[in-house]
Amino acid sequence: GAVVSQHPSRVICKSGTSVKIECRSLDFQATTMFWYRQFPKQSLMLMATSNEGSKATYEQGVEKDKFLINHASLTLSTLTVTSAHPEDSSFYICSARDAQNTGELFFGEGSRLTVL
Amino acid sequence: DAKTTQPPSMDCAEGRAANLPCNHSTISGNEYVYWYRQIHSQGPQYIIHGLKNNETNEMASLIITEDRKSSTLILPHATLRDTAVYYCIVRVREQAAGNKLTFGGGTRVLVKP
Repeated sequence: GAVVSQHPSRVICKSGTSVKIECRSLDFQATTMFWYRQFPKQSLMLMATSNEGSKATYEQGVEKDKFLINHASLTLSTLTVTSAHPEDSSFYICSARDAQNTGELFFGEGSRLTVL
Repeated sequence: DAKTTQPPSMDCAEGRAANLPCNHSTISGNEYVYWYRQIHSQGPQYIIHGLKNNETNEMASLIITEDRKSSTLILPHATLRDTAVYYCIVRVREQAAGNKLTFGGGTRVLVKP
């Protein structure tokens, strides 16, 4: 099946720094990728839709200047958490749509961010 | 996307079939039923989907009622590795919003030896 890879899987950073998380579709092209955030014992919450070659679409309540999304190629989207604070500590998950085949969505392994 | 209702948790015995219910009484005619599961600290994994006919694959079976207002995911022989949160989602398969999935609370399934 299609594979979506995230990097890093775990990251610890100091408060005030920025962290970049990568999401790659390894064997298919993804014009659209999605970024989710998940707090402990809660469900996934969609943050934004990442569109290749254009600006991301953010869900209500998600600060676009804090969570910068770049989708520069058909296989890579990045999420940068700027000026991270402890409340940004969470599990971040991306998904990508294999538009050329089944059109189904596949998820990355997730990236756990801990802000000290 | 139509809202779904799932029990928050359920236990099942290893080796037995696990039947996971999902209510989606407001489902539209062009909406599919999708099931994903999330094992602890991992990304969601696609299990199966269907429109109105029952479906089966190597992981599970999906039974959709005739009126499509509810469905059941069946894990035929649950193993300890099936312990996870199972999400039932209904959505249009192709949509302008780009196939985004909205997750509900899911069912936390614990398979016991």
